[in-house]
Amino acid sequence: AQSVTQLDSQVPVFEEAPVELRCNYSSSVSVYLFWYVQYPNQGLQLLLKYLSGSTLVKGINGFEAEFNKSQTSFHLRKPSVHISDTAEYFCAVSPLNTGFQKLVFGTGTRLLVSP
Amino acid sequence: DAGVIQSPRHEVTEMGQEVTLRCKPISGHDYLFWYRQTMMRGLELLIYFNNNVPIDDSGMPEDRFSAKMPNASFSTLKIQPSEPRDSAVYFCASSQPGTGSEKLFFGSGTQLSVL
Repeated sequence: AQSVTQLDSQVPVFEEAPVELRCNYSSSVSVYLFWYVQYPNQGLQLLLKYLSGSTLVKGINGFEAEFNKSQTSFHLRKPSVHISDTAEYFCAVSPLNTGFQKLVFGTGTRLLVSP
Repeated sequence: DAGVIQSPRHEVTEMGQEVTLRCKPISGHDYLFWYRQTMMRGLELLIYFNNNVPIDDSGMPEDRFSAKMPNASFSTLKIQPSEPRDSAVYFCASSQPGTGSEKLFFGSGTQLSVL
């Protein structure tokens, strides 16, 4: 079975500051990795994904994430946040042997950007 | 495209009543997923369909929950009888042929409150 841990339930940050949202996972098989974002009163949207290749993945809205296999981590970063980045961010994994059919989500990290 | 459409947006009901949640996936998508989001447990996969056929319902909490997909453009999630612990946001998501959970398109969710 797979599990995803997002240690920070909430991350407050000032506008234009850098931010890192942490994600660690546990799995007995190789996985694909994802970050989704949920804006207030909306469904989730895909930010970025790691399937293979370069461990640094760039996504929408200036976000990027780095896959570290030895540390089983997939932390999300942005060098300078905007007020509009205020949202909940979910890390998720999908085992390679399920053909993308099942996604396991973490509990989410709420990013609060203030002026 | 209008995206994944869920109805109702909000549902308030009394314990013991039957509740039906509805979902219209994006046209042409062949996977449909039902997720439940709570503060305590985060996002949980309840069931998913491929080409209108239920593939995995292992996440359905108990026999009170049932889901159907009578055609490619409509799915329902039914709870009968409902209980207060069923209160949550229920999301429907769909994905393009051959992609499974690689990129999910989520609806805006149904906020269910069982009193």
